[in-house]
Amino acid sequence: SQTIHQWPATLVQPVGSPLSLECTVEGTSNPNLYWYRQAAGRGLQLLFYSVGIGQISSEVPQNLSASRPQDRQFILSSKKLLLSDSGFYLCAWSDGTASRYGYTFGSGTRLTVV
Amino acid sequence: AQKITQTQPGMFVQEKEAVTLDCTYDTSDQSYGLFWYKQPSSGEMIFLIYQGSYDEQNATEGRYSLNFQKARKSANLVISASQLGDSAMYFCAMRDSGNTPLVFGKGTRLSVIA
Repeated sequence: SQTIHQWPATLVQPVGSPLSLECTVEGTSNPNLYWYRQAAGRGLQLLFYSVGIGQISSEVPQNLSASRPQDRQFILSSKKLLLSDSGFYLCAWSDGTASRYGYTFGSGTRLTVV
Repeated sequence: AQKITQTQPGMFVQEKEAVTLDCTYDTSDQSYGLFWYKQPSSGEMIFLIYQGSYDEQNATEGRYSLNFQKARKSANLVISASQLGDSAMYFCAMRDSGNTPLVFGKGTRLSVIA
């Protein structure tokens, strides 16, 4: 069966420090991968998505970047964190079809920038 | 562009009662999919129910049903016989015919009271 792993679960980072969040999927190949951010009291905002290795689509201009170095690995990065980068980050995958089941989400990373 | 609107930031319901969470959407596509997700305080996103734009019947999954009114562009979630464990954030989401990434509403926080 397919599983998605996301780590770390929580992170407290100072302003100006770098960031690396990792997401991996098991049990499937060539998944579509997504990074969403949920700010306090807000909905889910799509940050990046990828339909294949090295293919990254960015939805909003921001202080973040994403990479997909391997088929089932999706990394969210920042060179210098801002206070506004605080939030709950969720990775998700889908099989790329118009599935009735939508996405499967990771357990999320709660990032606090101080 | 797709848009999801959830107008109820918070809702209260008595245990064992039914509750309706509102969702309206906007799209120019004829083929699209609508989803509801539950997010408990742990942060995980749990898929609840799906409705395709061409589905002739309203979707049902156990205690969850979707009141789909295509002409009004609404896809309200109905939870019957509420339980304390139903207390969570609920998100409505949409995907259009191009299988573009899911767009989420801002969510509704449901509190079930004993």
